[in-house]
Amino acid sequence: EPEVTQTPSHQVTQMGQEVILRCVPISNHLYFYWYRQILGQKVEFLVSFYNNEISEKSEIFDDQFSVERPDGSNFTLKIRSTKLEDSAMYFCASRDRGSGNTIYFGEGSWLTVV
Amino acid sequence: RKEVEQDPGPFNVPEGATVAFNCTYSNSASQSFFWYRQDCRKEPKLLMSVYSSGNEDGRFTAQLNRASQYISLLIRDSKLSDSATYLCVVNRNPGAGSYQLTFGKGTKLSVIP
Repeated sequence: EPEVTQTPSHQVTQMGQEVILRCVPISNHLYFYWYRQILGQKVEFLVSFYNNEISEKSEIFDDQFSVERPDGSNFTLKIRSTKLEDSAMYFCASRDRGSGNTIYFGEGSWLTVV
Repeated sequence: RKEVEQDPGPFNVPEGATVAFNCTYSNSASQSFFWYRQDCRKEPKLLMSVYSSGNEDGRFTAQLNRASQYISLLIRDSKLSDSATYLCVVNRNPGAGSYQLTFGKGTKLSVIP
């Protein structure tokens, strides 16, 4: 079964450092997403991306965050200057065209900011 | 009121038991509904979509009541492998290409031998 892959699986970074989380969505998918889950909390939407631009973003996705699709396969989330409260599991997801299609999540990147 | 609200549990049930999860959502414009399961420190995985007429997939039955803004999931003959957190998920506006899923916090289920 095709899958969304994410790297790294776990990253520890110092407060104030930049972090890039990488994702390879399923190859024929057109819509890409980042969600995050703080430990013990619910999964929260960050941003959706389609046709090389952001289509929606949440209040969490402030100027510290950016996304990019640098080539035909990768989809990245950059956090410019990490804060302690950015510690969370970050899930990438992708979806095919069509409103009824399932969204597939990657296994997540666990970010710890110290 | 929380957008998607679930009983946090945990539910501890013996193997073979029937267990029911309930969920309410606050946004009446919500269009599509799902149950996901999440194992500890893993990604959410789609269990089933929830349709207005109700739907069944093996031991799992989902129901939707739009008037009450209420969603349910019933698991019959529970197995040890059903132990997980069950997430109620709502999508507000799938038709316009928007797929901003709103998750409940989840209900933890432990099936005991």
